[in-house]
Amino acid sequence: GAGVSQSPSNKVTEKGKDVELRCDPISGHTALYWYRQSLGQGLEFLIYFQGNSAPDKSGLPSDRFSAERTGGSVSTLTIQRTQQEDSAVYLCASSLEGRGGTDTQYFGPGTRLTVL
Amino acid sequence: SQKIEQNSEALNIQEGKTATLTCNYTNYSPAYLQWYRQDPGRGPVFLLLIRENEKEKRKERLKVTFDTTLKQSLFHITASQPADSATYLCALDPYGGATNKLIFGTGTLLAVQP
Repeated sequence: GAGVSQSPSNKVTEKGKDVELRCDPISGHTALYWYRQSLGQGLEFLIYFQGNSAPDKSGLPSDRFSAERTGGSVSTLTIQRTQQEDSAVYLCASSLEGRGGTDTQYFGPGTRLTVL
Repeated sequence: SQKIEQNSEALNIQEGKTATLTCNYTNYSPAYLQWYRQDPGRGPVFLLLIRENEKEKRKERLKVTFDTTLKQSLFHITASQPADSATYLCALDPYGGATNKLIFGTGTLLAVQP
């Protein structure tokens, strides 16, 4: 079946513009995660959605970052007034049940964001 | 402070040898730890999960150990092949199994020379 998809694959924007990144999780997966990966760095947790529960937003680096998940499926990560330090690969993952501890996360290919 | 540390230096080994990668953590009490593989330009792919009450887990040529006293996990690839060359990431749950959130290490780049 289809895996996690993300769009666009690449995004180049000018400093100060807003961007929206999209994630389509695997059908039936209740948990969805966003991460950021800067060059040569590990994955930085941003936000986690689990079913109808309030999302865990503890990783969002500033109030310029927000995310929503509509209908328990597609998610959009929005970055307002982009800065050059926002340049990174943004990865989305989904997992089946989101039970504490044991879910495997399935990752999309990422969106490479470049802020000029 | 809370940290997950993996060897930042690349690990270069000869084909056929065993590769051993280290993941150390401080100020966490994870209920489980996962290992992922990441190839350039791709998202990470899950390899193995080990729980706090398991000392060792195996899958084909892969073996993971988890020592909660030392706060360390070791990831071994036996009979390594050039196709094993990739970055390997460890990840742990920061809330002792209460949620499915994962915190990732920075990864270790493994290069297997033919």
